[in-house]
Amino acid sequence: AQSVTQLGSHVSVSEGALVLLRCNYSSSVPPYLFWYVQYPNQGLQLLLKYTSAATLVKGINGFEAEFKKSETSFHLTKPSAHMSDAAEYFCAVSDSSGTYKYIFGTGTRLKVLA
Amino acid sequence: NAGVTQTPKFQVLKTGQSMTLQCAQDMNHNSMYWYRQDPGMGLRLIYYSASEGTTDKGEVPNGYNVSRLNKREFSLRLESAAPSQTSVYFCASTLRTGVVNTIYFGEGSWLTVV
Repeated sequence: AQSVTQLGSHVSVSEGALVLLRCNYSSSVPPYLFWYVQYPNQGLQLLLKYTSAATLVKGINGFEAEFKKSETSFHLTKPSAHMSDAAEYFCAVSDSSGTYKYIFGTGTRLKVLA
Repeated sequence: NAGVTQTPKFQVLKTGQSMTLQCAQDMNHNSMYWYRQDPGMGLRLIYYSASEGTTDKGEVPNGYNVSRLNKREFSLRLESAAPSQTSVYFCASTLRTGVVNTIYFGEGSWLTVV
């Protein structure tokens, strides 16, 4: 069965500091991995996705993530945090075996301090 | 550009009442999903429909039923609502072309069972 684990339900960074949100996955088949962002009272929006084409994936709003198979990780980073980055971030996994299920992590709420 | 549309947005039910959450997508997507979001638990898959005419249980199907009415519409029914079903419900859809596809979400339905 597939799963994702997000370490840290809450992360606080200062404006301008590095953002690092952690995601580890478990999958018996090559995974497809995603990061989504959710702003208050809204649905989820795609930040980026890993499709096996490249291990370093660039997304919207300056975010990127690196797929590391040896560490089963797909951590999300951004060099310099903006106040507008404050939101909840979800890592998700889908598999390539054709079940078409998308499994989400428990989320990390990012707070950006002025 | 509607995308995924859910109704109602807010609903209060009494224990034991029934209701149906409606979802429609206008992107000609094949697969549709219902998730619930609870604090600290992320998004959990209730049911999904990989294609028109098929439905499958997700992680937390108990207390729910679904209908894939046609390619566009996927409804979620609570036959006898319980306070434990107080949650935010998200409908989602994806194209499913055999390669990794982005999953798109509706704005959410806030359900309170008293």
